[in-house]
Amino acid sequence: EVQLVESGGGLVKPGGSLRLSCAASGFTFSSYIMNWVRQAPGKGLEWVSSISTSSTYIYYADSVKGRFTISRDNAKNSLFLQMNSLRAEDTAVYYCARMGDTGAIDYWGQGTLVTVSS
Amino acid sequence: SYELTQPPSVSVSPGQTASITCSGDKLGDKNACWYQQKPGQSPALVIYQDSKRPSGIPERFSGSNSGNTATLTISGTQAMDEADYYCQAWDSSPYVVFGGGTKLTVL
Repeated sequence: EVQLVESGGGLVKPGGSLRLSCAASGFTFSSYIMNWVRQAPGKGLEWVSSISTSSTYIYYADSVKGRFTISRDNAKNSLFLQMNSLRAEDTAVYYCARMGDTGAIDYWGQGTLVTVSS
Repeated sequence: SYELTQPPSVSVSPGQTASITCSGDKLGDKNACWYQQKPGQSPALVIYQDSKRPSGIPERFSGSNSGNTATLTISGTQAMDEADYYCQAWDSSPYVVFGGGTKLTVL
């Protein structure tokens, strides 16, 4: 069974940093493009970042470019998102998501809430 | 940057057909997919590559994509289909694009 379990969310002050983790199991992690997608309270889905299987290709939304860094550790089946210079508008549930062979996001984690507030 | 536009809400009576549109420049040239999200849950894929259904998705869900518009159609809509629906496609910038979402109400 495919499982994606996020951790690392919490309350942080504006300008602060947070590192999210996603533990993957039930599939060959190193074979899949992985993504972070966020959802602000009461709002729609917003793509944040994607990373290719061997970390060669990395993409970011303009809203987080220069502040967030995506990475992965294929040996530990883990995906990460380092978030720096956090702003109130970064407050959201952050989902770890797998891009399947079809090109669509076929598995989502349960999400971890990040709240940026003083 | 590339954008996808969805109607904020769609209403349908039980047993009727619901259609949710997603508009974007030359969207028909890209692969579109659709996600369903119920309150308090993570999104779930219901349509990929314009019109294909993942295993476990009922046949009443179908999709099409041509020109500038992709459409998710739910035939014989049931109360359990009430949810938010998001279209998604890929582009060069940004890499992954979501539509703003459509709240489907079954009344």
